[in-house]
Amino acid sequence: DQQVKQNSPSLSVQEGRISILNCDYTNSMFDYFLWYKKYPAEGPTFLISISSIKDKNEDGRFTVFLNKSAKHLSLHIVPSQPGDSAVYFCAANTGGFKTIFGAGTRLFVKA
Amino acid sequence: DAGVIQSPRHEVTEMGQEVTLRCKPISGHDYLFWYRQTMMRGLELLIYFNNNVPIDDSGMPEDRFSAKMPNASFSTLKIQPSEPRDSAVYFCASRSSGGSYNEQFFGPGTRLTVL
Repeated sequence: DQQVKQNSPSLSVQEGRISILNCDYTNSMFDYFLWYKKYPAEGPTFLISISSIKDKNEDGRFTVFLNKSAKHLSLHIVPSQPGDSAVYFCAANTGGFKTIFGAGTRLFVKA
Repeated sequence: DAGVIQSPRHEVTEMGQEVTLRCKPISGHDYLFWYRQTMMRGLELLIYFNNNVPIDDSGMPEDRFSAKMPNASFSTLKIQPSEPRDSAVYFCASRSSGGSYNEQFFGPGTRLTVL
């Protein structure tokens, strides 16, 4: 039972263009959402988050959008850079400290 | 701070052997998590501790898996006996209950290969 789904295993984008990574969830009790970034041979690192009471959060080139009615969130990276090439994990919390992760989307940014 | 420390970084063992993975969380963090990453299932939460007490072990796949946290600075994940399907990258993460963004801090992982 995957409560957090990232249906695109990979995404390829040209440098300078926008990258859009998508995530769907099934549990309406999730109240906090996070994106993590992972480089090879390293652990995931926190990137950006959003509370369920908001619909947008922006941090530099990274913006997360939340659509609660659709149970969907997305991460926008503008402009994309080659150093953004990594695996991106969507994650969700239910008010406690248990975090459910998606399977990840591998982003390739071509120079 | 050195961050979350995991050892070993790589482990190759034969089926049936006991495997012990180790983790040192960030000092002052009161939550510790063990995850397993596979291609098929992504990052799965196995178990997490609060103040050294196991809170939720519903993700532990079988009785072959066990985890302990004898003190605030050390945790182990043990697999006995190991099987080839246990091959994966195992991550340890920690966080503070007072963290502002709810984020966890991950170690570099242990890549386990069971032959």
